[in-house]
Amino acid sequence: ETGVTQTPRHLVMGMTNKKSLKCEQHLGHNAMYWYKQSAKKPLELMFVYNFKEQTENNSVPSRFSPECPNSSHLFLHLHTLQPEDSALYLCASSPGIRGGTDTQYFGPGTRLTVL
Amino acid sequence: DAKTTQPPSMDCAEGRAANLPCNHSTISGNEYVYWYRQIHSQGPQYIIHGLKNNETNEMASLIITEDRKSSTLILPHATLRDTAVYYCIGGSGNTGKLIFGQGTTLQVKP
Repeated sequence: ETGVTQTPRHLVMGMTNKKSLKCEQHLGHNAMYWYKQSAKKPLELMFVYNFKEQTENNSVPSRFSPECPNSSHLFLHLHTLQPEDSALYLCASSPGIRGGTDTQYFGPGTRLTVL
Repeated sequence: DAKTTQPPSMDCAEGRAANLPCNHSTISGNEYVYWYRQIHSQGPQYIIHGLKNNETNEMASLIITEDRKSSTLILPHATLRDTAVYYCIGGSGNTGKLIFGQGTTLQVKP
């Protein structure tokens, strides 16, 4: 798990709280991703950053705000979440989206519970 | 992005080969076939990918049909630790999108 790390691994928050999820990749990659996995549902792509530019926002509500300060770090800022936002949030990284193959490697995830 | 179809579940005896099928009849010419697996509540683990040719690595083999409409992931000697959900995904290097389906739950039994 040293390639892509995520902190915290577990988070419980109230609907009025503000919290942030952190992802760090140690693979020298240039693209980073946020996915959401709700119970018994497939992974859903949320955001994509390629060379620090956001290239995909998959109609994600504004209460989720991503930040990519550099190619190694990705944050997901959370505010005024709803209980249905409780899920496993997964970060991934890949060498860079430039055509051809671009294999993604995932972190262990943050288990988020919204009360 | 290609839609893939996989059986919801499969069983395999420990030590035997596990052959996991996937249909991806809508895959486009520049889309790769990726296989990942996810052990309960962990992040997906990359297994293998291919475009046209069969591929093999230390984890598995990937057999892609000549028309690229289907593929099979082969775990040559399944162990109990291979019990997981296996995802077959058509992915384009142009967009970075991986569209995960429900996958196949592989249960390796002693």
